[in-house]
Amino acid sequence: GQNIDQPTEMTATEGAIVQINCTYQTSGFNGLFWYQQHAGEAPTFLSYNVLDGLEEKGRFSSFLSRSKGYSYLLLKELQMKDSASYLCAVRGGGSYIPTFGRGTSLIVHP
Amino acid sequence: SAVISQKPSRDICQRGTSLTIQCQVDSQVTMMFWYRQQPGQSLTLIATANQGSEATYESGFVIDKFPISRPNLTFSTLTVSNMSPEDSSIYLCSVEGTGITDTQYFGPGTRLTVL
Repeated sequence: GQNIDQPTEMTATEGAIVQINCTYQTSGFNGLFWYQQHAGEAPTFLSYNVLDGLEEKGRFSSFLSRSKGYSYLLLKELQMKDSASYLCAVRGGGSYIPTFGRGTSLIVHP
Repeated sequence: SAVISQKPSRDICQRGTSLTIQCQVDSQVTMMFWYRQQPGQSLTLIATANQGSEATYESGFVIDKFPISRPNLTFSTLTVSNMSPEDSSIYLCSVEGTGITDTQYFGPGTRLTVL
């Protein structure tokens, strides 16, 4: 199976930068996803990493280190609307269906 | 991307009854997935549904409790049978996108409360 660990909750200030970490253990790693989920809504895709390094997409960036089993999602210039749960999902173990972590609830305050 | 709708969006049910959740996609897809998300928990895959074949269930989920239909390439249903309060959860339908990432797209979810 796969083991995915991410912090339960984080708080940050509007305009600041926040980094949400995700560590995982899996065999046959084949990709890591980050999703954003606002309360009462469906998860929406943010980013995908399969090779080591940083992927930048506007205010959001995602980093992967396969050797360390580690990823982070970096959110810059935080806005109140960024308050949401951020889900790390890992594909591996011979399955193309990713396994989701419990999610990190991010609270952005003024 | 795919546009996915689910019905009902929420329901409150009595224990011992059954509820069927519908999922409609705006394009033809091979695989459809059903997830459960309990409060404060991660998304847990219930089963994978292919058109024209029996659904494949994950460990801990059985067909008698969660029968699934997949009559065509744009529609699926999940039934939660003989419900108990432990079945209170959000149930999400998902499809796999095309392209190199094969990311998944999710429906808005059905919030089920069992009394």
